[in-house]
Amino acid sequence: QKEVEQDPGPLSVPEGAIVSLNCTYSNSAFQYFMWYRQYSRKGPELLMYTYSSGNKEDGRFTAQVDKSSKYISLFIRDSQPSDSATYLCAMSAGGNNRLAFGKGNQVVVIP
Amino acid sequence: SAVISQKPSRDICQRGTSLTIQCQVDSQVTMMFWYRQQPGQSLTLIATANQGSEATYESGFVIDKFPISRPNLTFSTLTVSNMSPEDSSIYLCSAKTGGAAEAFFGQGTRLTVV
Repeated sequence: QKEVEQDPGPLSVPEGAIVSLNCTYSNSAFQYFMWYRQYSRKGPELLMYTYSSGNKEDGRFTAQVDKSSKYISLFIRDSQPSDSATYLCAMSAGGNNRLAFGKGNQVVVIP
Repeated sequence: SAVISQKPSRDICQRGTSLTIQCQVDSQVTMMFWYRQQPGQSLTLIATANQGSEATYESGFVIDKFPISRPNLTFSTLTVSNMSPEDSSIYLCSAKTGGAAEAFFGQGTRLTVV
């Protein structure tokens, strides 16, 4: 079983729809959870950062962590064409531990 | 957050040659990393660049193929040596500060080996 599972299947949604992305993981030591956004031909950009379980909201973006289920989600409300990118989940046990990444989800928001 | 500048942004190289990628961070950082990202794949950690000592390589990556330098707390280089077409990929520099869990990335170097 991979440490982090993220279904890489491309996701196309109409503008204004809610985008729902998720990752599962197997390492119960993970406490820090991140979502990165990567535009084509650019490096990953930190989008959301959450510690432990719970929700975090930033504008149109909401990150959820359920440590009991080892499941994290990212929701994008009122999606815009500018949200078209690849979204990678990442997580860490903290300190000097490495980040473990999912494969990334390509999202296309159709005007 | 840290701003990371990486160069070159892209290059096309002949097989058998070497390319050195530079990574400059705008502030002192504790840890610097080099990743490889192939199409449709997750980021793969190549090594952790240690300031003043040899880099720590992940399984499947060796110093002779990917020598790394980190002369100070803001700069690192990755060399891809004796390149083959299989080395064609995006190479990413990353950094994190203090005890923070989150890391920041450069814009990547898109390498094509012909």
